[in-house]
Amino acid sequence: SAVISQKPSRDICQRGTSLTIQCQVDSQVTMMFWYRQQPGQSLTLIATANQGSEATYESGFVIDKFPISRPNLTFSTLTVSNLSPEDSSIYLCSAQGPNQPQHFGDGTRLSIL
Amino acid sequence: QKEVEQNSGPLSVPEGAIASLNCTYSDRVSQSFFWYRQYSGKSPELIMSIYSNGDKEDGRFTAQLNKASQYVSLLIRDSQPSDSATYLCAVSNDYKLSFGAGTTVTVRA
Repeated sequence: SAVISQKPSRDICQRGTSLTIQCQVDSQVTMMFWYRQQPGQSLTLIATANQGSEATYESGFVIDKFPISRPNLTFSTLTVSNLSPEDSSIYLCSAQGPNQPQHFGDGTRLSIL
Repeated sequence: QKEVEQNSGPLSVPEGAIASLNCTYSDRVSQSFFWYRQYSGKSPELIMSIYSNGDKEDGRFTAQLNKASQYVSLLIRDSQPSDSATYLCAVSNDYKLSFGAGTTVTVRA
């Protein structure tokens, strides 16, 4: 399976600022996704990162708050904008190759002061 | 209405016993089913995938799927302390995964 590198692994940010998370896959994959895992909860899909076009967002998530880029087949970024304490979560990148299941990066643990 | 439901935990089993985890899903057209293991502070790790009715075995893990009953399960045989983790059931009918809330398993030495 593909190796998925995510950075930063953790960060502490001030309210009102933004954080950009990077996700790099070591091989070309078909699909890339971004998830949020709030404390003590399961994973919730934020969006599907589409190569060269706008991401596809799930209900409850909007582009202004979670802008996503995917300039090529192996790299994507998620920005969490205008941070508030409710954004304190783990953010996970996943990738899926052709006819392969999804695998996850190590995640980014975000805390808001 | 939740799409994926897992049996509530935590589940505590003695070392060497069988841990049984259950999952039901609401979307009848779901095609792919997965079990992920998540250790505390770590990201989910895929341990089993199953796509057709019946059993699939991989080492000490057996996944069982019954599409008519919309039910998928995971058995962990000869449970070890290293199996202590949260197990997430995930279901897909296209490329998107829907996750259950997870069942936390503790294996007592």
